[in-house]
Amino acid sequence: DAGVTQSPTHLIKTRGQQVTLRCSPKSGHDTVSWYQQALGQGPQFIFQYYEEEERQRGNFPDRFSGHQFPNYSSELNVNALLLGDSALYLCASSLGVSSGANVLTFGAGSRLTVL
Amino acid sequence: RKEVEQDPGPFNVPEGATVAFNCTYSNSASQSFFWYRQDCRKEPKLLMSVYSSGNEDGRFTAQLNRASQYISLLIRDSKLSDSATYLCVVPGRNTGFQKLVFGTGTRLLVSP
Repeated sequence: DAGVTQSPTHLIKTRGQQVTLRCSPKSGHDTVSWYQQALGQGPQFIFQYYEEEERQRGNFPDRFSGHQFPNYSSELNVNALLLGDSALYLCASSLGVSSGANVLTFGAGSRLTVL
Repeated sequence: RKEVEQDPGPFNVPEGATVAFNCTYSNSASQSFFWYRQDCRKEPKLLMSVYSSGNEDGRFTAQLNRASQYISLLIRDSKLSDSATYLCVVPGRNTGFQKLVFGTGTRLLVSP
C-alpha cells in the first residue's frame, strides 16, 4: 500500500523562476493538504484540496497556487520565487473533510532552495 | 496569542529518564489535538491523537487540560530512538478539521 509520494525530492531554482511540485496521496485518500516548513519551524498550512477544489487556504500570497486532478493527485505551483520560499514543502493526504479527516499522512517532502 | 505554542527546547535527558513537554493553544473550541514526531530531515508522523482527557500508548501519555488550554506529552523510560522533534497540532480556528496548525516543535535529545 503506497504512502504519499512527492516529486522532486530536491530542487534548486533562482529568484523569479517558477516551480511545480507534485504529490500522489496515499491509496484510499482523497484530500491533499500542502504545508511549507522553513528550517527550525513547524509546518505552515498553505492550502487543502478536496473534490478538485481548494477548500481552505492559509496565509500565503497568490503566488502560491495549486490543483487537484481527478485521480486525487495534486500540484503546488509557486511563481516569482523569492529567497524566503526556500523550505521543505510537505504534502499530506487524508480521507474526506469530516471529523475523521484530520489524521494526516505526510510525504517525504520536496526541498526547495532558491538562490 | 499564537494558536499553538511550544517550548523549542532542546530537552537533553539521559536514557531511562522521564520527560514531559507542554503545548498551549488559544482556540477554546478545539475538540481534538495531536502529537506528531519528526526526525531530522524527515516528514512528520502521527504519534498520538487526543480527543478527551488524554491518551496512553505504551511509554507515551498525552493529557489534555481544557481549563488551562494546554496539552502535555509524557515519555517514560526514554530511549535513544526517542530523539526527535515533537510537534503539537490543533485544528485551525474557525476552519473545523480542514486546517491543522502546527507548533514550532520541541526538540528532544536522549543521550546514553
